[in-house]
Amino acid sequence: EDKVVQSPLSLVVHEGDTVTLNCSYEVTNFRSLLWYKQEKKAPTFLFMLTSSGIEKKSGRLSSILDKKELFSILNITATQTGDSAVYLCAVEEHNAGNMLTFGGGTRLMVKP
Amino acid sequence: DAGVIQSPRHEVTEMGQEVTLRCKPISGHNSLFWYRQTMMRGLELLIYFNNNVPIDDSGMPEDRFSAKMPNASFSTLKIQPSEPRDSAVYFCASSLGGTSNTGELFFGEGSRLTVL
Repeated sequence: EDKVVQSPLSLVVHEGDTVTLNCSYEVTNFRSLLWYKQEKKAPTFLFMLTSSGIEKKSGRLSSILDKKELFSILNITATQTGDSAVYLCAVEEHNAGNMLTFGGGTRLMVKP
Repeated sequence: DAGVIQSPRHEVTEMGQEVTLRCKPISGHNSLFWYRQTMMRGLELLIYFNNNVPIDDSGMPEDRFSAKMPNASFSTLKIQPSEPRDSAVYFCASSLGGTSNTGELFFGEGSRLTVL
């Protein structure tokens, strides 16, 4: 079964809107959760979360982890067309040597 | 640092041909990963190496796929014989590795493979 599930699968918004992307996971030996942004090429790193309740923030993007409920959200405020991408969530487990299990991604399109 | 370097960037081949994809990880990174990305299945881990040793190859689809890492600066992923269902983007990624370093992977630009 899928270990990492993202929702929604896709999303279309207009510039200036705020979006919330969801990632739920089910692993036995959680170590960290990571968010990546993928435009046309390679995924690029956004955030790594290891502790519940501590918000990570970078400009208009922010993310938080809930280890009790096993999910994370990625918020993007005041969206811009440049935010259009696939957002990937991945989970790392202990004793798995940095090996990441990725969710299916959320495809975000921001219209002018 | 130039980042993770992959070649070729694009390859179009015919069914039955051998395909070799190459990767140079970031210098000093001890772990190397091969992922495959398709629309249907997303990013799937094929194999990962730590200190040039294959640690987990459970994601390798079948015997047609093989991967090697002869030294710390080079890895190959080979498909022989290739099939149309192997068409995908193949990413190589590297990380510092080790139990004290958590998760951030640095991805190459990918090799887009099309098997006709």
